[in-house]
Amino acid sequence: RKEVEQDPGPFNVPEGATVAFNCTYSNSASQSFFWYRQDCRKEPKLLMSVYSSGNEDGRFTAQLNRASQYISLLIRDSKLSDSATYLCVVNSGMNSGYSTLTFGKGTMLLVSP
Amino acid sequence: NAGVTQTPKFRILKIGQSMTLQCTQDMNHNYMYWYRQDPGMGLKLIYYSVGAGITDKGEVPNGYNVSRSTTEDFPLRLELAAPSQTSVYFCASDPGRSSYNEQFFGPGTRLTVL
Repeated sequence: RKEVEQDPGPFNVPEGATVAFNCTYSNSASQSFFWYRQDCRKEPKLLMSVYSSGNEDGRFTAQLNRASQYISLLIRDSKLSDSATYLCVVNSGMNSGYSTLTFGKGTMLLVSP
Repeated sequence: NAGVTQTPKFRILKIGQSMTLQCTQDMNHNYMYWYRQDPGMGLKLIYYSVGAGITDKGEVPNGYNVSRSTTEDFPLRLELAAPSQTSVYFCASDPGRSSYNEQFFGPGTRLTVL
């Protein structure tokens, strides 16, 4: 089983739509979880951390299900500027003194007018 | 703050040539990382450093070397370039000590080996 698995997409949605991305991870000892956003030919940037109770930041909602080893990202009222690749990132903790981040391959979102 | 800066932005190398990818951060972060991203793939960790003078291998270190003489700088060296090293290279940093730290990435270096 791949360590962090995502549907590569692309997800094509109209402006104003609600879209959801899912991600599964294989390491049950993983400690922290993130969604990063990567624009075309740019560096990844943190979108939001994902907490056990779920968390919301404006139009974005992230959920974590530790029992199923599953993370989700919901985007409401999609904007053209939301078009990007969304990376699911899992931290398996402080191994030998560094954060062992494992990156999914990303899910591409294309929002059209 | 400039954050994490990388040079060069683009480079084409011939097989067997050497080069150094530069990375500098001005956030006084202890932890620094080098990743490579191949098309359609997730980022893979090449090397990391937890402070000046301390470096260690990540998941894909073969063909690369690093050094960390200062907190700010973390150069990545390719000694004998091979086509398999064609990739986008990202440097990143974070303050360390917490698994919930955000990693800050540089803009990347696009390397082609022909």
